[in-house]
Amino acid sequence: EIVMTQSPATLSVSPGERATLSCRASQSVSSNLAWYQQKPGQAPRLLIYGASTRATGIPARFSGSGSGTEFTLTISSLQSEDFAVYYCQQYNNWPPEGTFGQGTKVEIK
Amino acid sequence: QVQLVQSGAEVKKPGASVKVSCKVSGYTLTELSMHWVRQAPGKGLEWMGGFDPEDGETIYAQKFQGRVTMTEDTSTDTAYMELSSLRSEDTAVYYCATGLLSRANWFDPWGQGTLVTVSS
Repeated sequence: EIVMTQSPATLSVSPGERATLSCRASQSVSSNLAWYQQKPGQAPRLLIYGASTRATGIPARFSGSGSGTEFTLTISSLQSEDFAVYYCQQYNNWPPEGTFGQGTKVEIK
Repeated sequence: QVQLVQSGAEVKKPGASVKVSCKVSGYTLTELSMHWVRQAPGKGLEWMGGFDPEDGETIYAQKFQGRVTMTEDTSTDTAYMELSSLRSEDTAVYYCATGLLSRANWFDPWGQGTLVTVSS
């Protein structure tokens, strides 16, 4: 089973600043990585797939990079609606047990 | 576009079973790979099981094997997740989520979630 580790657990950022979130896989997942955003009381929403492709309707301030075992989600200029929990998910290995990272909470500084 | 609508919240006693439904619109179930993910209060996302498009079977996470059954009714495009022998640790929001007909699969979209509370 691949273990996905996200860091930091909590990121305090001021509106308008850049946020950089990390996700590490215990073994290579190629570019088979997705990022999700979850706000309180809501279902997760797909942001990025294929490590760097934005999903439909996702603003350009969200960008993903990386391959293999190291991945980054960058939010270039945080808006009020971006304060949420972010999860990474690998889909390179089947079955997808333990497929999600533990999440990074982006909070207002 | 695919939309998923789940059944409403449930309160169950320990030892009971719960069955959550997920109605698909915009596509048919046979065009999708349906999965179930749960989230305990204040915790992260946990994959429970889903459809394996390569062998046409449903596969379950080891943690839930023997207690969970996932089924599909293609006549109504509704998927179901039944969890038995409920315990307090099963209190969580249960989500259905779809993906492509591929094992290399991200989840999009998700249902709105169904809160299952297990309490005596």
